[in-house]
Amino acid sequence: QLQLQESGPRLVKPSETLSLSCTVSGGSMNSSNAYWAWIRQPPGKGLEWIGYVFSTGSTYYNPSLTSRVTISLDTSNNQFSLKLTSVTAADTAVYYCARRPGRTTGLGFDSWGQGPLVTVSS
Amino acid sequence: DIQMTQSPSTLSASVGDRVTITCRASQSVRTWLAWYQQKPGKAPKLLIYKASALESGVPSRFRGSGSGTEFTLTIDSLQPDDFATYYCQQYHSVSVTFGQGTKVEIK
Repeated sequence: QLQLQESGPRLVKPSETLSLSCTVSGGSMNSSNAYWAWIRQPPGKGLEWIGYVFSTGSTYYNPSLTSRVTISLDTSNNQFSLKLTSVTAADTAVYYCARRPGRTTGLGFDSWGQGPLVTVSS
Repeated sequence: DIQMTQSPSTLSASVGDRVTITCRASQSVRTWLAWYQQKPGKAPKLLIYKASALESGVPSRFRGSGSGTEFTLTIDSLQPDDFATYYCQQYHSVSVTFGQGTKVEIK
């Protein structure tokens, strides 16, 4: 069974860059036709899709975040990563990595990481 | 962006009740609609995909229906484990969007 695990700093200073990685185990990203996503949830609020990278390397971002977001793939290490620049307190949230299998399956996000809380504070 | 609106925001129900949650899209998403269950401190769990297909391992008391702009999630005979927050999500467009969530509380 596929498992996803986020890693990275839990505390980021305002104006700096938030960086997280997601390690995928239980399956190879190379053999998987899938969208690898980042989704966040501010404390007490709903889910917000940040963006994803397709298995070909193509990226798609939330229009409200596109100027600050980069998502990239590292299939050799079975990882993908998120960078969010110029963070403010409004970026404080639980950050989930997740997988959505390719469109032909029809599936939604079927595998999720545990989701660390990342706090933006000086 | 396609906006997703769920109703109600909160629902109080008892064990054994039938519960229905509605999700409306600002434009047609055909059947590219998923439902998730989220419990406090946990990641969301996929329940339904393609509007009505039950994810593997999910109890059959969960039913999804609808197409286009209007969708429902029905839970037949609510169980204690079902008290949680439920989200709809469209993936018709490249830019994915979620509903704001419906919290199912114990009456």
